[in-house]
Amino acid sequence: LAKTTQPISMDSYEGQEVNITCSHNNIATNDYITWYQQFPSQGPRFIIQGYKTKVTNEVASLFIPADRKSSTLSLPRVSLSDTAVYYCLVGPSASKLTFGTGTRLQVTL
Amino acid sequence: DAGVIQSPRHEVTEMGQEVTLRCKPISGHNSLFWYRQTMMRGLELLIYFNNNVPIDDSGMPEDRFSAKMPNASFSTLKIQPSEPRDSAVYFCASSKVQGISYEQYFGPGTRLTVT
Repeated sequence: LAKTTQPISMDSYEGQEVNITCSHNNIATNDYITWYQQFPSQGPRFIIQGYKTKVTNEVASLFIPADRKSSTLSLPRVSLSDTAVYYCLVGPSASKLTFGTGTRLQVTL
Repeated sequence: DAGVIQSPRHEVTEMGQEVTLRCKPISGHNSLFWYRQTMMRGLELLIYFNNNVPIDDSGMPEDRFSAKMPNASFSTLKIQPSEPRDSAVYFCASSKVQGISYEQYFGPGTRLTVT
C-alpha cells in the first residue's frame, strides 16, 4: 500500500507560484498519482493525474521524476480562491482511496 | 451535466431516529462511492458500488449503516438508529470506470447532525 506524505500546511501570497510536494516511496508500477482539491463545505474535486514526467491542464501542472517516489503539484499565480486543502493519492494498488490529512494552502493578499 | 446530486444538504435529527441520505450519480457513470468526513478521522470510504452491485462495504462502521443502489441513477445511505457520533459530512461520488477509480466526482455532501 503506497503511503503518501505531504506538508500539513503552506502559505502563499496572491500571484505567486505554489509547489506542493508529495512523497510516495513505495509506489507500485501500476500506480498513478492523483491530486484533489477541497474547498470548505464542498466535496473534493479531481484536479490532475499523472504517471510520469509532466502533466499540465488548465488548473495545474504535475511533475513526476523518473523514480516516481515523489511528485509536485504546481499552481501558477495563485489567487485567494485557491485557498483549499490539497490531497495527494497514489493508486490503484491501494484497495481504496485514502485521502490522508492533505496540505492546507492559505493564500493571502 | 448537473454533477452528483445529494439530498438533503443538511439534516438535523435526534438520537435514535432513522436517517436516509440520497445520491444521484452523474449519468453514465458505472461506480458510486459513499464517504464520511469528520475532523477527527478525515475522509473515509464507507462503501462502493459497481454497476449497482455493492463491492466493498468494509468501511461501513457497523450494522446501523446500510446502503442500497436500486438502479444506476439512485443510491441511499441509511442510518438506523442514528447516534451523535454519526454526525459528519457524508459525500457521494461517482466515476466512469468500474472498480476503484482515482478520478471521482464528488457531490456537495450532506451535513448530518445527530443530537
